[in-house]
Amino acid sequence: DIQMTQSPSSLSASVGDRVTITCRASQSVTRFLNWYQHKSGEAPKLLISGASTLQTGVPSRFSGSGSGTEFTLTINSLHREDFATYFCQQSHGYPPTFGQGTKVEIK
Amino acid sequence: QVQLQESGPGLVKPSETLSLTCSVSGGSINSYYWSWIRQPPGRRLEWIGHLYSTGSPKYNPSLKGRVTLSGDTSKNHFSLELTSVTAADAAVYYCARHLRFYTDGWASAFDIWGRGTFVTVSS
Repeated sequence: DIQMTQSPSSLSASVGDRVTITCRASQSVTRFLNWYQHKSGEAPKLLISGASTLQTGVPSRFSGSGSGTEFTLTINSLHREDFATYFCQQSHGYPPTFGQGTKVEIK
Repeated sequence: QVQLQESGPGLVKPSETLSLTCSVSGGSINSYYWSWIRQPPGRRLEWIGHLYSTGSPKYNPSLKGRVTLSGDTSKNHFSLELTSVTAADAAVYYCARHLRFYTDGWASAFDIWGRGTFVTVSS
């Protein structure tokens, strides 16, 4: 299975900060990398597919980049509603696998 | 707007079978792939398997033949059965739509999820 490793596992940030989360794959997943946001008690939400394609309705302060084995999720100017857990997922190989998640907390 | 809702017992005894159902509202289960995903406490998400509205399911080999997915188009829901459960199977279980799309190759993403249901394994 393709192993996905996110860093950091958690971070503290303030409203207005720029936040970057990294996801690394144990082998190339080309650009078949998705990002999700998960708030406790809610359904996880797909933010970005194909490494950089923002889903409809997702604010433009979210962006994704990367290819191969290294990817980043960037949140420009963090909003209060962005405090959540973010995780990556590869769809290059079966089974689909997930990163361990990055919890973004209020500083 | 498509919504998913997991249902089923929150407590299963060791060695017994875990059975969950995902009800789909606001859209048909036809013509899409549907997945089950779980997250044990403190661990990462694990894909269990998916099925198309018609056709053979595909499973995560890690579950070693213990899992069966099925769909009922008349009730617009799909189900998970996991046999011979142990404490390691305790988790939040999610159902999700597994959207496949073509972009320089066939990619996929879980574009709609349920809120999840926690299943405890205990006697």
